[in-house]
Amino acid sequence: DGGITQSPKYLFRKEGQNVTLSCEQNLNHDAMYWYRQDPGQGLRLIYYSQIVNDFQKGDIAEGYSVSREKKESFPLTVTSAQKNPTAFYLCASSMGSGGSDGYTFGSGTRLTVV
Amino acid sequence: EDQVTQSPEALRLQEGESSSLNCSYTVSGLRGLFWYRQDPGKGPEFLFTLYSAGEEKEKERLKATLTKKESFLHITAPKPEDSATYLCAVLRTGNQFYFGTGTSLTVIP
Repeated sequence: DGGITQSPKYLFRKEGQNVTLSCEQNLNHDAMYWYRQDPGQGLRLIYYSQIVNDFQKGDIAEGYSVSREKKESFPLTVTSAQKNPTAFYLCASSMGSGGSDGYTFGSGTRLTVV
Repeated sequence: EDQVTQSPEALRLQEGESSSLNCSYTVSGLRGLFWYRQDPGKGPEFLFTLYSAGEEKEKERLKATLTKKESFLHITAPKPEDSATYLCAVLRTGNQFYFGTGTSLTVIP
């Protein structure tokens, strides 16, 4: 079955450490997105990519980095510059670059700073 | 300011007690309004897309409607398995998505 796989499901980060969240899709979707979800807030866009080797900053890109070397993969690195990284991170994809057909979401990664 | 507001924040229903969730928006240039269901600790699952005022879509006990300023998700005779958070999102021109904060629905047996 086609879908989006995020790993790991739970991740713990020490102060000053960089961590990478994995996102893989086998839907042959062109566009991929990273969102952050915090309690009481709507999903906030971190980065998005419409084609391979190209990506754009979203509303809250500071302290994060991404790469898009393959159509299927869009990993997110949470750097030590992100001062409040504890959150639920969601990866999504869409067929078209505009997202008008809606998103398919992964199951999420919960990141906790220890 | 472009904004999506969902109400109520939380809703508790008895099994079989029908109700509606609201999503109001002040986004200009609407290209689509989306409803998602999210279970605890999981990613949102797509339910409906509505593109123009007057449009309606149904799926089992759920029915979504759209006006020029808001959308309703009607839940008819809910069951405990309908308990989840329901998210609304609006896509505007320029390919920007705006998400609401969700309505947490609990259906009590």
